[in-house]
Amino acid sequence: GDSVTQMEGPVTLSEEAFLTINCTYTATGYPSLFWYVQYPGEGLQLLLKATKADDKGSNKGFEATYRKETTSFHLEKGSVQVSDSAVYFCALYGQNFVFGPGTRLSVLP
Amino acid sequence: EAGVAQSPRYKIIEKRQSVAFWCNPISGHATLYWYQQILGQGPKLLIQFQNNGVVDDSQLPKDRFSAERLKGVDSTLKIQPAKLEDSAVYLCASSLGQTNQPQHFGDGTRLSIL
Repeated sequence: GDSVTQMEGPVTLSEEAFLTINCTYTATGYPSLFWYVQYPGEGLQLLLKATKADDKGSNKGFEATYRKETTSFHLEKGSVQVSDSAVYFCALYGQNFVFGPGTRLSVLP
Repeated sequence: EAGVAQSPRYKIIEKRQSVAFWCNPISGHATLYWYQQILGQGPKLLIQFQNNGVVDDSQLPKDRFSAERLKGVDSTLKIQPAKLEDSAVYLCASSLGQTNQPQHFGDGTRLSIL
């Protein structure tokens, strides 16, 4: 079946550092890809998405590019802030929705 | 726009008891999902409804879990009897369509089994 693999956390960065959270997937066909974020004490919310190869999703300074050749959808941000501290989930929609295990990000001032 | 509403927020029961969770999706959203999120893991899809029909329940432990969405709006998820391994957050989500539409999540119900 479909699956999503994410880099293990926690990831700890200083403010203004560059962020990459790796995500790779296994799926038949051409799934849609998503990043969801869960801030402390809040529910899951969509951060960005891409629906076809080479699409780039972006939001709040975060971006991710759908790479079919490497089956990846890595999340990047050029300069993180303390307010970006959260758990980030990579997900796909192929046959149904499948979520990765999540990566906890802590940004220190 | 009102978000996805879930209740209760917290529930503590003993093993072998039964429990039910309620979800009211965003108005107009045809697709409703129930997920189980065990601590430290990503959400795992239990069941997906399109209006009042089941689209996918392949990961629902049907010997103890049941769900319904009788009028295509609200939904309930029931566990009977509960086991210790059912301790988790149960998330409800809704979306406009069935395919790759983004989901809107509720705050979840945190279930603890003693």
